Amino acid sequence: GQNIDQPTEMTATEGAIVQINCTYQTSGFNGLFWYQQHAGEAPTFLSYNVLDGLEEKGRFSSFLSRSKGYSYLLLKELQMKDSASYLCAVTDSNYQLIWGAGTKLIIKP
Amino acid sequence: ETGVTQTPRHLVMGMTNKKSLKCEQHLGHNAMYWYKQSAKKPLELMFVYSLEERVENNSVPSRFSPECPNSSHLFLHLHTLQPEDSALYLCASSPSGTSGSDEQFFGPGTRLTVL
Repeated sequence: GQNIDQPTEMTATEGAIVQINCTYQTSGFNGLFWYQQHAGEAPTFLSYNVLDGLEEKGRFSSFLSRSKGYSYLLLKELQMKDSASYLCAVTDSNYQLIWGAGTKLIIKP
Repeated sequence: ETGVTQTPRHLVMGMTNKKSLKCEQHLGHNAMYWYKQSAKKPLELMFVYSLEERVENNSVPSRFSPECPNSSHLFLHLHTLQPEDSALYLCASSPSGTSGSDEQFFGPGTRLTVL
C-alpha cells in the first residue's frame, strides 16, 4: 500500500528553528510537496522537490532523499503566524497526490 | 484570493436531504478535484476530472455524485448521507493533472455536518 508518515504534532518557540520530517512509501515517485494549512483555511503550496537535495525559499527549506524515501521541511526564525498544519504529499506513478495526515505545529512565545 | 471558490462554506443536512456543493476555479486550469478532510486523517481524494472527463473515482460511495459541466465548474451532489460523512470537503484545481509538478490550488472548503 501507499503510505506517508509525519509526526502528528510538534511544538517550538518563536524565533527558533524546527524540522518536520516526512517518510513515504508509494508506487512510483513524481515529486514531493509541502503545503501549509491554517486552521479553518485551505491548504496552500509551500514547496516542491523532485531531485535530491535542499531547496531554500526564504525562511522555509525543503529537503529530499529519494533513496531513503525521506523529506523534511525546515522552518527558521519561527513566527507566531507559522502555527499551522504542514502537509506532506507525494505524486505517485499515476500523477495522483498521496497525502500525509499533517503535522500540527504549535509556536509558543 | 486563491482563485478557487466554494459554496456553501457551511452546510448542515439531515440524512434524507439532497444538497449540492459547488466549486468554481478562475485560473484556467484543466483538472479539478474533490477531497474529503477528516480530523487527523490524510486528505482523501474522492474524484478527479481532467478536461471535464472523470479520470479517478476512489471507491467513493454512490451517495456522492460528481458533476463537471465545464473546466471551470465542479459540483458534488449529496443524497442520503451518513453521520460519518461529516467532514470538510475541499475542491482543488491544477493546470493539467498529468504532471508530477502540478501544484494544486485549493478552495476554502465546505464544512459539512450530517445529523
